[in-house]
Amino acid sequence: QVQLQESGPGLVKPSETLSLTCIVSGGSIDNYYWSWIRQPAGKGLEWIGRIYINGNTDYNPSLKSRVTMSIDMSKNQFSLKLSSVTAADTAVYFCSRGWITWFDPWGQGTLVTVSS
Amino acid sequence: QSMLTQPPSVSAAPGQKVTISCSGSSSNIGKNYVSWYQQLPGRAPKFLIFDNSRRPSGIPDRFSGSKSGTSATLAITGLQTGDEADYYCGTWDSSLNGGVFGGGTKLTVL
Repeated sequence: QVQLQESGPGLVKPSETLSLTCIVSGGSIDNYYWSWIRQPAGKGLEWIGRIYINGNTDYNPSLKSRVTMSIDMSKNQFSLKLSSVTAADTAVYFCSRGWITWFDPWGQGTLVTVSS
Repeated sequence: QSMLTQPPSVSAAPGQKVTISCSGSSSNIGKNYVSWYQQLPGRAPKFLIFDNSRRPSGIPDRFSGSKSGTSATLAITGLQTGDEADYYCGTWDSSLNGGVFGGGTKLTVL
């Protein structure tokens, strides 16, 4: 059974780059889309973007200029970088496996706070 | 503001049925499959429904989904107190070329 676990700093300074990694266990990174989704406290889910095993990416248009995703099949993990962060980027960040219109499973989520 | 519109809250008594609507447009629900998720407080979303009406293994048949035109509906029958959670719909938007979610609906089992 595939499991996902997010890792990375819980505190990032404004204007710096948020970097998270999602480690996939119980299976290999294979023919699915690997996505990042975030959720500000008390608010709904926001899709950040996805990466396929061939490295092709799709990003949320509202974040596209600041997002970079990568995938490392040798380490069974994929990553998110979000540059020039502000307080508005404070959220719980989830990684997930999925296909075009669904996401499963999800990581437990990691809280990232943007503050000086 | 979410691309998909859900009611902020719904409520019903234990044992009853509740429905949660998800309204979109021709570029998202009208063109693509819909999925549904249950999120308990402090937890990651749990996969409930995919391809409009299909249940992943392990999801009880009390949960069902449907789609008509640019709207989708999640129905939960035989409500239990453990069903109290936030519910989200999701799909792909072919114009944005991105994933979209509803704003979420808080279910209260009275």
